[in-house]
Amino acid sequence: DIQMTQSPASLSASLEEIVTITCQASQDIGNWLAWYQQKPGKSPQLLIYGATSLADGVPSRFSGSRSGTQYSLKISRLQVEDIGIYYCLQAYSAPNTFGAGTKLELK
Amino acid sequence: EVQLVESGGGLVQPGRSLKLSCAASGFTFSDYYMAWVRQAPTKGLEWVASISYDGGSTYYRDSVKGRFTISRDNAKSSLYLQMDSLRSEDTATYYCTTVQWFAYWGQGTLVTVSS
Repeated sequence: DIQMTQSPASLSASLEEIVTITCQASQDIGNWLAWYQQKPGKSPQLLIYGATSLADGVPSRFSGSRSGTQYSLKISRLQVEDIGIYYCLQAYSAPNTFGAGTKLELK
Repeated sequence: EVQLVESGGGLVQPGRSLKLSCAASGFTFSDYYMAWVRQAPTKGLEWVASISYDGGSTYYRDSVKGRFTISRDNAKSSLYLQMDSLRSEDTATYYCTTVQWFAYWGQGTLVTVSS
């Protein structure tokens, strides 16, 4: 199975700050990577797919990038509504695997 | 508007069975692979099973193979998960989702396996 190593596990940041979360795949997955945001008591919401494409309705302050087998999610200017847990997902091969999650809190 | 509504969760004893349902609307259900993803309390997301457009192909994570069965009824735009021989480690919120980038999710249904 492909392992997705996500870091950091938790992150505390200030409003308007730039935030970056990374996922390292254990093998080449191309651009088969997605990012999700989950708020307490809610279902996950797709943010980024294909490593860099923004999902419908997602604010442009969110962006995704790839360098080899390392993938990053960047929030350019943190807002209050961005607080939650973020997960990456590899959609390259079954079983599809998620990262362990990054809990983003306000400082 | 895409809607996925799960039902069928509840408290069940270890070794017993439960069947989850997911009612889909707002899109052409038969055009999508579908999946179940679960989340144990305070834990991360875990893919459980997927099914092809017509139900001809199914896929399971190792820990549920032989115990869980995913199925669908395209005429009813519905997805199902039959869970047999339930274990305490199956306790989780179960989400129905479209496999294409897992773009759409239901609200989830909680399954608690406990004596």
